[in-house]
Amino acid sequence: EAGVTQFPSHSVIEKGQTVTLRCDPISGHDNLYWYRRVMGKEIKFLLHFVKESKQDESGMPNNRFLAERTGGTYSTLKVQPAELEDSGVYFCASSRPSQPYGYTFGSGTRLTVV
Amino acid sequence: GDSVTQMEGPVTLSEEAFLTINCTYTATGYPSLFWYVQYPGEGLQLLLKATKADDKGSNKGFEATYRKETTSFHLEKGSVQVSDSAVYFCALSDLGDYKLSFGAGTTVTVRA
Repeated sequence: EAGVTQFPSHSVIEKGQTVTLRCDPISGHDNLYWYRRVMGKEIKFLLHFVKESKQDESGMPNNRFLAERTGGTYSTLKVQPAELEDSGVYFCASSRPSQPYGYTFGSGTRLTVV
Repeated sequence: GDSVTQMEGPVTLSEEAFLTINCTYTATGYPSLFWYVQYPGEGLQLLLKATKADDKGSNKGFEATYRKETTSFHLEKGSVQVSDSAVYFCALSDLGDYKLSFGAGTTVTVRA
């Protein structure tokens, strides 16, 4: 099966601009997660979708971040306006409903805000 | 809250050397423990896991034992290869909570 696809793989934007990251999960994986690794530190949970519904968004850092999963397929994570501290690698993962720990991660999007 | 502390890197080894990466955790419940690996240019991959005390997870020559008494889940491999060069992440998930809490990652470089 195809893996979890994220794009772009890299993005460099100026402070104050808007960036949208996309994640295409594996077909049939209802669970979709976003994580972020900032400055070589630990990877932190951002939020969890079950189909199109936000199950847990306790890790979203502030209201500059907006995640959507219309139709329960792909998901987007928009940062508006971007700040320097948003730089990092954003990972998406998906899993089947029956295998919540059976994550498949994407390769990540490296975001650099300058 | 839940947290994971793992050995800071980077770690550089010669081929066939013994590798240990220490990982300790703090959790309110009874967590499941994981080691993930990220090879260059790839996504995170599950390396091994353990779901209860004294369980040993193993894969690709790597092993880790769930030690509840010391709240640890150290990763070991007896003889590393160049292909083991990667970033290794220790992680946990509390019972009934599907999100993962990760450590900071340890970069391992194996030289021929």
